[in-house]
Amino acid sequence: GAGVSQTPSNKVTEKGKYVELRCDPISGHTALYWYRQSLGQGPEFLIYFQGTGAADDSGLPNDRFFAVRPEGSVSTLKIQRTERGDSAVYLCASSLTLGSGTDTQYFGPGTRLTVL
Amino acid sequence: GNSVTQMEGPVTLSEEAFLTINCTYTATGYPSLFWYVQYPGEGLQLLLKATKADDKGSNKGFEATYRKETTSFHLEKGSVQVSDSAVYFCALSGGTSYGKLTFGQGTILTVHP
Repeated sequence: GAGVSQTPSNKVTEKGKYVELRCDPISGHTALYWYRQSLGQGPEFLIYFQGTGAADDSGLPNDRFFAVRPEGSVSTLKIQRTERGDSAVYLCASSLTLGSGTDTQYFGPGTRLTVL
Repeated sequence: GNSVTQMEGPVTLSEEAFLTINCTYTATGYPSLFWYVQYPGEGLQLLLKATKADDKGSNKGFEATYRKETTSFHLEKGSVQVSDSAVYFCALSGGTSYGKLTFGQGTILTVHP
């Protein structure tokens, strides 16, 4: 079956602009996660959803970052007034349930964001 | 909070050599432990996992044992292949970071013929 997909694969924008990054999880997966991976580092947690609601957004770095999942499937990560420090690969993952932390998370290929 | 520390890389080996990548963690409660792998040009994929103490995860010849007494989850393979060249990430979830994964910084492995 289809895996997690993310669009666009690459996004180049100018400082101060607004961007949206999209994630399509595996069909039937109720939990969805966003991570950010800087060059040479491991992914860092941003936010996760159980269904339509954000269960934990403690990883969002500031109020320029916002994510939604209005119908419990596709999610959009929104970044306002982008800064050069936002440049990274943004990863999306999904799992069957939120569970107890044992469920496997399946990752998408990521969106590489470059802020000039 | 939770944290994961991996051995410094990069690691360079000859084909058929023995591999160990060290991973230690700090967490409260009883986390689940994972190894993820990222092959060149591909996304992160789960390699193996263990969900309780003394469990051994294994896949594709790789093994790791959940050691609560030493808070470790070292990755091993008896005989590496060129195709194992990739970046390996140790991660944990559960404990105080319910659901979300906390990753180590990654270890680059290069295997030469």
